[in-house]
Amino acid sequence: AQTVTQSQPEMSVQEAETVTLSCTYDTSESDYYLFWYKQPPSRQMILVIRQEAYKQQNATENRFSVNFQKAAKSFSLKISDSQLGDAAMYFCASGGSNYKLTFGKGTLLTVNP
Amino acid sequence: KAGVTQTPRYLIKTRGQQVTLSCSPISGHRSVSWYQQTPGQGLQFLFEYFSETQRNKGNFPGRFSGRQFSNSRSEMNVSTLELGDSALYLCASSSGLAGGRANTGELFFGEGSRLTVL
Repeated sequence: AQTVTQSQPEMSVQEAETVTLSCTYDTSESDYYLFWYKQPPSRQMILVIRQEAYKQQNATENRFSVNFQKAAKSFSLKISDSQLGDAAMYFCASGGSNYKLTFGKGTLLTVNP
Repeated sequence: KAGVTQTPRYLIKTRGQQVTLSCSPISGHRSVSWYQQTPGQGLQFLFEYFSETQRNKGNFPGRFSGRQFSNSRSEMNVSTLELGDSALYLCASSSGLAGGRANTGELFFGEGSRLTVL
């Protein structure tokens, strides 16, 4: 079974600053993917960034990067130069061999102007 | 390329009724998954279909069912509605054939169907 834990229900950041969202996971699988999804108030979930567990290099997508610590089962998301449009609910998720994603409870990110 | 389309977007039902939700995946995607999203439980997996076959099912009662058609469109049905079934139901599609060794890759989500049970 897979579990994903996001310990920060809410976070806030000033515009142009950097914020890090935490995520820990547990899985018995040796091959899996990790994801961060963003759900803005309009509700459509969109992928922010993904990481293949067998890759040691941390994934990066423009202002978004992850810190993947496989041994610690930690997968944090760093958002640099935060923008007002980054305000949303962020979900950490893992996926393996069972055709489903397991999601954390989410972190609500507020960006203050 | 059109995204994942879910209908209806909003619906209100009363206890005991049944409801059918529809999902049209991204063209070329053969996998469709359904998730229930509530404030208390978060996102919970309902089931996943690939080429009309259910490959996995979540821990939901038998009142929740689904199917997939030959054109990859999917429907889910909830019978004998209960107040606790009020939720946002999200559909997601993918190729179903993840390139990596793990087979659950990126999902593309629709905007959801908001069900309210009175």
